[in-house]
Amino acid sequence: GAVVSQHPSRVICKSGTSVKIECRSLDFQATTMFWYRQFPKQSLMLMATSNEGSKATYEQGVEKDKFLINHASLTLSTLTVTSAHPEDSSFYICSARGDPGLAGGGLYFGPGTRLTVL
Amino acid sequence: DAKTTQPPSMDCAEGRAANLPCNHSTISGNEYVYWYRQIHSQGPQYIIHGLKNNETNEMASLIITEDRKSSTLILPHATLRDTAVYYCIVRVAGTNAGKSTFGDGTTLTVKP
Repeated sequence: GAVVSQHPSRVICKSGTSVKIECRSLDFQATTMFWYRQFPKQSLMLMATSNEGSKATYEQGVEKDKFLINHASLTLSTLTVTSAHPEDSSFYICSARGDPGLAGGGLYFGPGTRLTVL
Repeated sequence: DAKTTQPPSMDCAEGRAANLPCNHSTISGNEYVYWYRQIHSQGPQYIIHGLKNNETNEMASLIITEDRKSSTLILPHATLRDTAVYYCIVRVAGTNAGKSTFGDGTTLTVKP
């Protein structure tokens, strides 16, 4: 089946530093990936759509200069949280659009990355 | 993507069937109904999806009403490991599949 990985699974950083989170499609190519953020006891909130070879599309209210997205290849998208602050602490989840014929209906989610900013 | 409405929480006895409803009255003709679940601190797990016919797989069954305005996810024999938040989403399938908009989902608690 289609597998999406995220790295790291957990990260703790100091306030003011930048953190990069990787999202990889392991056995399929994904021209489009999506990044979500989830705060405790809340649902997933879409942050941006990442398209291979072009600029990401951000949802309203998401600062594109703070959350930098790079989709440089068909299997890798990265989310960089710049100058992180404690309010950026959250669970970040990516998903990748792939072959709808695979089990999962065409959209495959990663396991998530827990970011804690001290 | 169409909006969905789900009850915030449900309980189910272990071994019994869990029936989770979802309303999607504004669903478009080319939108599928997808179900995912999320166990604490993990990414969403795909369960099942369908367009208009009822679907069954090794995890669950999906019953979609004839007018497609609502659906029910059925876990036939719930276990404690099925305790999770269940999300019902409607979206276009295939390579043109758009972003998925998650509602608040239903927290299912399976009790011994």
